[in-house]
Amino acid sequence: DQQVKQNSPSLSVQEGRISILNCDYTNSMFDYFLWYKKYPAEGPTFLISISSIKDKNEDGRFTVFLNKSAKHLSLHIVPSQPGDSAVYFCAASVYGGSQGNLIFGKGTKLSVKP
Amino acid sequence: DAMVIQNPRYQVTQFGKPVTLSCSQTLNHNVMYWYQQKSSQAPKLLFHYYDKDFNNEADTPDNFQSRRPNTSFCFLDIRSPGLGDAAMYLCATSGHLRDRLDHEQFFGPGTRLTVL
Repeated sequence: DQQVKQNSPSLSVQEGRISILNCDYTNSMFDYFLWYKKYPAEGPTFLISISSIKDKNEDGRFTVFLNKSAKHLSLHIVPSQPGDSAVYFCAASVYGGSQGNLIFGKGTKLSVKP
Repeated sequence: DAMVIQNPRYQVTQFGKPVTLSCSQTLNHNVMYWYQQKSSQAPKLLFHYYDKDFNNEADTPDNFQSRRPNTSFCFLDIRSPGLGDAAMYLCATSGHLRDRLDHEQFFGPGTRLTVL
């Protein structure tokens, strides 16, 4: 049973607009969440993270929002750029838990059109 | 640049023929992970090493083994590959941030395994 779910396999957005990628989780023990970005033929690269003591973390054009009561997080990219086109993975872990094991979602493929 | 390197990038093997995938890191990280990712699926953790301590995931088949001869290198051995083992295999590392394990993992580019 999937503990981390990304229900949208793909998302298409116009350049300059906002991209919103969503992630849901089922395990209430998760208290640390990460977003990774993956280009074809490359490994995932870390993008941004958030711990459960916060509800928002911002880094430049990227903001992650966490709603613990809904067990939901989202990644906002504003403004979206063609170079943001990639697969985005949501991952969760128990901070301080078993050597940092991450549970990944299946990913959402973002296409940003010029 | 500090990095995680995986060789080869593409590996073709025959059904039942043992194969070894390698991973090296220049980050001097304590923890090294091996993930299996099949098409349109989430990366799935197979096992990891914390220094020399090996930690196997409960549902990782016995067909998959790993070795970590030193801090820098980690190998994934598939003893008798089946068609269902065709996948991307990702190696990742993580270290410590202050006195707590840093949950940010650094990934290599992966090895795509084809089983004929």
